[in-house]
Amino acid sequence: GESVGLHLPTLSVQEGDNSIINCAYSNSASDYFIWYKQESGKGPQFIIDIRSNMDKRQGQRVTVLLNKTVKHLSLQIAATQPGDSAVYFCAEKDSSASKIIFGSGTRLSIRP
Amino acid sequence: DADVTQTPRNRITKTGKRIMLECSQTKGHDRMYWYRQDPGLGLRLIYYSFDVKDINKGEISDGYSVSRQAQAKFSLSLESAIPNQTALYFCATSGQGDTQYFGPGTRLTVL
Repeated sequence: GESVGLHLPTLSVQEGDNSIINCAYSNSASDYFIWYKQESGKGPQFIIDIRSNMDKRQGQRVTVLLNKTVKHLSLQIAATQPGDSAVYFCAEKDSSASKIIFGSGTRLSIRP
Repeated sequence: DADVTQTPRNRITKTGKRIMLECSQTKGHDRMYWYRQDPGLGLRLIYYSFDVKDINKGEISDGYSVSRQAQAKFSLSLESAIPNQTALYFCATSGQGDTQYFGPGTRLTVL
């Protein structure tokens, strides 16, 4: 998963630009990946998921890309809006496990 | 998500006190989870339950206990709270799929 530390990585993006949030995962057996958004004072909210038999999945203004060769996951947000300001977590799971493992998150801030 | 509720939303307590955090869900899910979140860190699993008679330890269960009173209710207890248990606590649920749905969280401060 993402490196764990006291300070979250931060991505600052101009409003209207596209955002790309990256995540490296460690378990090569992981076959299910999820992105969550957590706004201040709220619980994590599901955004989009992808299984390992796919390398790209699109939702509304969001796209998740999966590169299993280098164990990398990314979340792309098109036309970033102020409401996209939040901490974004990636999570991974393998089919033999009963638990999801969460990364430490990336804080996305939007410049007006 | 209003389908998963947590009480209380905020709690300040003293070292040594017993605390119970409650979680209720109306999603009809069998699986429920308790996580802890510390500043700058991701979510860490405390306990999880796949049905009413099933309780499993997560990665940081020491100092915590749980009770699954019904399919819709899963409570987390701190028998004797200590300051390093100050954190945000989240309950989550999932159905047959792997996607988890989170409650709004409980902010616990142990003085």
